[in-house]
Amino acid sequence: EVRLVESGGGLVQPGGSLRLSCAASGFTFGNYWMNWVRQAPGKGLEWVAQIKEDGSEKNYVDSVKGRFTISRDNAKNSVFLQMNSLRAEDTAVYYCTRPSSGAFDYWGQGSLVTVSS
Amino acid sequence: DVVLTQSPLSLPVTPGEPASISCRSSQSLLHSNGYNYLAWYLQKPGQSPQLLIYLGSNRASGVPDRFSGSGSRTDFILKISRVEAEDVGVYYCMQPLQIPVTFGQGTRLDI
Repeated sequence: EVRLVESGGGLVQPGGSLRLSCAASGFTFGNYWMNWVRQAPGKGLEWVAQIKEDGSEKNYVDSVKGRFTISRDNAKNSVFLQMNSLRAEDTAVYYCTRPSSGAFDYWGQGSLVTVSS
Repeated sequence: DVVLTQSPLSLPVTPGEPASISCRSSQSLLHSNGYNYLAWYLQKPGQSPQLLIYLGSNRASGVPDRFSGSGSRTDFILKISRVEAEDVGVYYCMQPLQIPVTFGQGTRLDI
C-alpha cells in the first residue's frame, strides 16, 4: 500500500523558517519524481515544487523561488521542503504527492503551516 | 503559465441526475505522444484530493464508472452519469504538461 506521511508543520512567525518532511512507503521511491502542493485555508490547490528521481532537477512556482528548497533522501524514502523567509501568504496545508501517468496519483494527509505573529 | 478555467464554479445537483464540469485551458494540453495531459480530482470535505481521471479520459483505479472524462487540446469535460450523495465536494482539473503545474479554480458540487 502506497503511503505518504507529511510532518513538520506548525506555527511560525513571519520571516521564520520551517522544514517539512514526507515519508514514503509502499513503492520504489527512487523511481519517482516527487511534488509538493499547497492549499491556503478555504482556497484552491497550488503546486509548489517538484524534484527529479535522483534530485538533479528541481522546479518551483515563482512565488517561492529563492525562499523554498526541495530535496530528497532516497536511502530514507523521504522528500523535504525547506521553507525560509516565510510570509503570511504561505499559510496553507502542504501536501506531498507522487506523480504517475500524467497525474498525482497519491497524496499525503497534509501538514498545516501557519505563518503569523 | 497555463491557465485552467473551470465552469460552473458551483453546481447544485439532485441525486440520480447527471452532472458535468468544463475545464478550458489557455494552451493545448495535447502532447506529441498523443495523450492529453489533463487530470481531474475530487476533494471531499476534510480530505486530501483524490485522483479521478488521468490523461484526459482514463479512470483511476477504484473510481466508479459513473465518472468519465473527455476532450482534447484545450477543452475538457468531466461527467457524472448519475450523481450520488458521496460525490459532494470540490472538483479540480490539473495540467502537469508545463511548469508550473496548474489547477483550475475548483467547482463545488452540492446536493
